[in-house]
Amino acid sequence: AQSVAQPEDQVNVAEGNPLTVKCTYSVSGNPYLFWYVQYPNRGLQFLLKYITGDNLVKGSYGFEAEFNKSQTSFHLKKPSALVSDSALYFCAVRDMRSNYQLIWGAGTKLIIKP
Amino acid sequence: GAGVSQTPSNKVTEKGKYVELRCDPISGHTALYWYRQSLGQGPEFLIYFQGTGAADDSGLPNDRFFAVRPEGSVSTLKIQRTERGDSAVYLCASSPGVNNEQFFGPGTRLTVL
Repeated sequence: AQSVAQPEDQVNVAEGNPLTVKCTYSVSGNPYLFWYVQYPNRGLQFLLKYITGDNLVKGSYGFEAEFNKSQTSFHLKKPSALVSDSALYFCAVRDMRSNYQLIWGAGTKLIIKP
Repeated sequence: GAGVSQTPSNKVTEKGKYVELRCDPISGHTALYWYRQSLGQGPEFLIYFQGTGAADDSGLPNDRFFAVRPEGSVSTLKIQRTERGDSAVYLCASSPGVNNEQFFGPGTRLTVL
């Protein structure tokens, strides 16, 4: 079965420190992977995606993610966290059976402390 | 440019009532999606439109839920005989095509009392 797992409900990081939000997936075939961020009372915003090519993908707001096929992971990273990065982060993978449905993780709450 | 907009932002209704939720996608986006999101969970797929037709409505939970997109732009999600379990944030997203990332609206928070 196809699935996405975000093993951490919450991640706490001090401002200025590097951050990692973890995501692992299980799909058949080559995955299309996405990260979205959700701020309070706002819609989901697209951060970055991996389709093919370089395993390190750069996205909005200084975020990047590394695709690791052997570990079936797509962790979100940022070298230096900002307080304004505090939000809910969702990893998603395109459902290869439908070509458009996204299978979503449960989300990880990121808290950046000053 | 204008993003995806949804109205109303909040809707409170009583059990058994009928509600309509509206989505205005980004101009020119042919694909439109409806999701439902409960607290602490990722979005749950409801229905996907390509143009005017519902290409996949397999996520609609039951026949009380229906959605239309008559002119291939604005879409309306309709819920009949609402139940307390329908309370959630209903998200709409659009994309230029199925292979592109989806752009989400701010959502409509539906509360059924």
